[in-house]
Amino acid sequence: EVQLVESGGGLVKPGGSLRLSCAASGFTFSSYSMNWVRQAPGKGLEWVSSISSSSSYIYYADSVKGRFTISRDNAKNSLYLQMNSLRAEDTAVYYCARAADHSGMDVWGQGTTVTVSS
Amino acid sequence: SYELTQPPSVSVSPGQTARITCSGDALPKQYAYWYQQKPGQAPVLVIYKDSERPSGIPERFSGSSSGTTVTLTISGVQAEDEADYYCQSADSSFVVFGGGTKLTVL
Repeated sequence: EVQLVESGGGLVKPGGSLRLSCAASGFTFSSYSMNWVRQAPGKGLEWVSSISSSSSYIYYADSVKGRFTISRDNAKNSLYLQMNSLRAEDTAVYYCARAADHSGMDVWGQGTTVTVSS
Repeated sequence: SYELTQPPSVSVSPGQTARITCSGDALPKQYAYWYQQKPGQAPVLVIYKDSERPSGIPERFSGSSSGTTVTLTISGVQAEDEADYYCQSADSSFVVFGGGTKLTVL
């Protein structure tokens, strides 16, 4: 079964750090680009970051640039998001999602919740 | 970066046709994708490359494109189609989602 499972969410104080992980199974992880997408409470979807299959291309939304770092370990079938200098507005459910060229984000994890609050 | 604009809400009765639009200046040059999200669940891809339907998605879901507007059409709407729908597009270095449309089945 094709599956993505996020972990690492939790409660963190403003200015703090958190590292999210996304474990992939059931497909050849190293063949796909991956994305992080977040959703603040009661709000819409917001793209956070993308990484190509070999990590050659990495992109960030302006709202997280300089604070978040996306990475992947193809040997471990895992995607990561290092989040530093967290702000209250980073509070959201964070999803990892698989993407293939022109095929959209066709597989999503169940999400992990990040709450930034003092 | 650029924006994608969707109507906040659309309402239809069961069996009718629902049309959800998404407008953006880059849409003539970039593919659009549509996602369905039900409360408490992760999004599900329902249309890719403007009009292609992934396997497992009912035939009543279709997509079309005309100029700067793409449209998700749900024919013969069922109660289970009540959800939030998001369009999405991308350029070489940026991904953007529309603000989402809440489909209510009356």
